[in-house]
Amino acid sequence: EADIYQTPRYLVIGTGKKITLECSQTMGHDKMYWYQQDPGMELHLIHYSYGVNSTEKGDLSSESTVSRIRTEHFPLTLESARPSHTSQYLCASSEGGDDNEQFFGPGTRLTVL
Amino acid sequence: AQRVTQPEKLLSVFKGAPVELKCNYSYSGSPELFWYVQYSRQRLQLLLRHISRESIKGFTADLNKGETSFHLKKPFAQEEDSAMYYCALSGSRLTFGEGTQLTVNP
Repeated sequence: EADIYQTPRYLVIGTGKKITLECSQTMGHDKMYWYQQDPGMELHLIHYSYGVNSTEKGDLSSESTVSRIRTEHFPLTLESARPSHTSQYLCASSEGGDDNEQFFGPGTRLTVL
Repeated sequence: AQRVTQPEKLLSVFKGAPVELKCNYSYSGSPELFWYVQYSRQRLQLLLRHISRESIKGFTADLNKGETSFHLKKPFAQEEDSAMYYCALSGSRLTFGEGTQLTVNP
């Protein structure tokens, strides 16, 4: 079944740890995105990719990095997590142009102690 | 620069009452506008887009280029409409508004 998956769904870690949030899609989409959803529920684009080996920073500055080695996989990495990174992270994908529907994953809720 | 503004963070209405969620945008080109919805414990999903000119779950939204608005309306709100609603503009990238939490009270 075509879907977009995120793991883990919940993560509680200590300051200074390296973490990777996984995102995979079986939608066959070229474009993928990472959003940060803050406690006030605003959505901010932090990274996006238009295809393999293509990654760009979004509107919100983030200390995280992403990679796109395979079309279906778009992991996000934090080298050294801090409490300010506590948030909900949403992965999305779409086909074609930016005016096409974006499909969202279930999200990863990250808490850094 | 493109920007989307949703002036109401919280909106509460009674069941059966009309509801309007406001959205204003700024964009120099020809905008493509959307409403996304996130129900409790569910994923963010597309509700409707202006080019479709369709009604979804009783909701409609009309693009008003003169007022640069794309307000979401429903004549009779239902309790199951309670959710977080995001207006979004597709220009160089998809830009979301701050969101409006709608609560429909019984």
